[in-house]
Amino acid sequence: AQSVTQPDIHITVSEGASLELRCNYSYGATPYLFWYVQSPGQGLQLLLKYFSGDTLVQGIKGFEAEFKRSQSSFNLRKPSVHWSDAAEYFCAVLYSGAGSYQLTFGKGTKLSVIP
Amino acid sequence: NAGVTQTPKFQVLKTGQSMTLQCAQDMNHEYMSWYRQDPGMGLRLIHYSVGAGITDQGEVPNGYNVSRSTTEDFPLRLLSAAPSQTSVYFCASSGDWTNEQFFGPGTRLTVL
Repeated sequence: AQSVTQPDIHITVSEGASLELRCNYSYGATPYLFWYVQSPGQGLQLLLKYFSGDTLVQGIKGFEAEFKRSQSSFNLRKPSVHWSDAAEYFCAVLYSGAGSYQLTFGKGTKLSVIP
Repeated sequence: NAGVTQTPKFQVLKTGQSMTLQCAQDMNHEYMSWYRQDPGMGLRLIHYSVGAGITDQGEVPNGYNVSRSTTEDFPLRLLSAAPSQTSVYFCASSGDWTNEQFFGPGTRLTVL
């Protein structure tokens, strides 16, 4: 079965500092990978996705992620964090097969930004 | 274009009561899903649908029923609420399962 691990429950960074959020997945086939962001009291919004091709994908709000098959990782990065980036971030892997489609989320990483 | 709407926003139930959480989308999306979000657990898939008349179970389906009679609506039914179902529930839709899922604002449910 597929699974997603986000090792960091909570990360605090200073505004303007760089950010990397870790995500490791377990899936037997080529993964479809996503990063979503959830602001307090809101639903989730897609930041970026990876299906195939270039392993470095660009997303909205200046975020990027790199797929590394050898490490089963899909880490999210941003070179300079803004206070408005404070939110919870979820990595997800899509399982599809035998007519079934299931998106499995990690448990999330909460990002706090110090002014 | 309202996107994905959910009603109610908040609900308090007593153990054993039943209720239906409503979800509607106006984007003509085939794929719709229900998730529950609990602290420290991320989002877990309850049920999903790949089109009108077609539903399937997700990771945590017990205690919940769904049906999909139209493309627009995907209600989630709790037949006999239990305290373990206290959670925030999100509905999502997508035109293609491999693409972005659009999430509703959520329903916060408390079962006493």
